[in-house]
Amino acid sequence: GQQVMQIPQYQHVQEGEDFTTYCNSSTTLSNIQWYKQRPGGHPVFLIQLVKSGEVKKQKRLTFQFGEAKKNSSLHITATQTTDVGTYFCAVNSNTGNQFYFGTGTSLTVIP
Amino acid sequence: NAGVTQTPKFQVLKTGQSMTLQCAQDMNHEYMSWYRQDPGMGLRLIHYSVGAGITDQGEVPNGYNVSRSTTEDFPLRLLSAAPSQTSVYFCASSPGQFHSPLHFGNGTRLTVT
Repeated sequence: GQQVMQIPQYQHVQEGEDFTTYCNSSTTLSNIQWYKQRPGGHPVFLIQLVKSGEVKKQKRLTFQFGEAKKNSSLHITATQTTDVGTYFCAVNSNTGNQFYFGTGTSLTVIP
Repeated sequence: NAGVTQTPKFQVLKTGQSMTLQCAQDMNHEYMSWYRQDPGMGLRLIHYSVGAGITDQGEVPNGYNVSRSTTEDFPLRLLSAAPSQTSVYFCASSPGQFHSPLHFGNGTRLTVT
């Protein structure tokens, strides 16, 4: 199946610091989605990137899709305690019927 | 709208027992899927369905069965539970078009002793 590597696995930051998580694939992706899972909760869709080099912003969150469509990043500016959780990237199989998730990055924000 | 509803929220089984995890959605989504989540492993696809009457295997289907007799329901069956199936199980649905986001249920935490 589609393989997507996500790093880092864990990240601890002081409140106010920035945070970035990366997803990398060895093959060209048709799209990439990002999800957030709060502790004890379920994954919630954040955004989808489809175009090469695409950049989308949601308040303090910036999502990028690489020019070659093989990597993506999620950057949070000035983290807050509400940002705590695990961030996952997800990619579609070639048929579009299967979603493959990265292993996730667990973010801890220290007040 | 309730969205995606999973029952039960918690379950403890003994090795060899069988059970069914229920999943229902009220959004008229064609696509439904089951994932298991284990520490450090992310979410792994067990089975999925692109519409009523159609099911297919995902990454880790062994030990699990599914059926899709209606658009709304997608139950996951464990025929003979094993300790390796201890996990958190999530059901997710989407409208079915390529690139559609997944909507997740609240999950079922299963422990097999």
